Amino acid sequence: QKEVEQDPGPLSVPEGAIVSLNCTYSNSAFQYFMWYRQYSRKGPELLMYTYSSGNKEDGRFTAQVDKSSKYISLFIRDSQPSDSATYLCAMSIGNQFYFGTGTSLTVIP
Amino acid sequence: GAVVSQHPSRVICKSGTSVKIECRSLDFQATTMFWYRQFPKQSLMLMATSNEGSKATYEQGVEKDKFLINHASLTLSTLTVTSAHPEDSSFYICSARTGAGNTIYFGEGSWLTVV
Repeated sequence: QKEVEQDPGPLSVPEGAIVSLNCTYSNSAFQYFMWYRQYSRKGPELLMYTYSSGNKEDGRFTAQVDKSSKYISLFIRDSQPSDSATYLCAMSIGNQFYFGTGTSLTVIP
Repeated sequence: GAVVSQHPSRVICKSGTSVKIECRSLDFQATTMFWYRQFPKQSLMLMATSNEGSKATYEQGVEKDKFLINHASLTLSTLTVTSAHPEDSSFYICSARTGAGNTIYFGEGSWLTVV
């Protein structure tokens, strides 16, 4: 079993839709949880970072962590064509970082 | 957020030559840097972890004599692909972690094409 599981998609939504991206994990020792956005042929960009269960909001983005279920989510409100990218979840213990395989998202104008 | 700069963004080299890729943390000191390789439409594959002033730790299956990593300062790590072959053509990405930070920041990536 992989440490981090993420549905690769692809996911296609109309502009303005609410997008939900999800990851599950198996190691309850993970301490920190991150979401990265990667545009084609570019390095990943940190979007959200959290360490506690609950929600964290930043503009149109909300990161949700449920440690009891070992489940994290990223919600994107009012999605825009510029949100079209691959979204990677990541989690860490100390100096070790584990990444999901990424979900490809396309927002259609 | 913290800025990590990677250079060059694109490089073409001849088979058998060596090529160096630099990764710099511009506004923080990076005690740990990571090097990844990414194939099209695939996730990041960790190649090695480097700590400033010590030898890099390579992942299983990564040839340390082929992919030389140096982390000589708190702001610079380099990856040298030695005796490059066409199968080494790929997207290489570095990331850096601050001493107290619990997340990592990525460089823009470097496209290597070996002809």
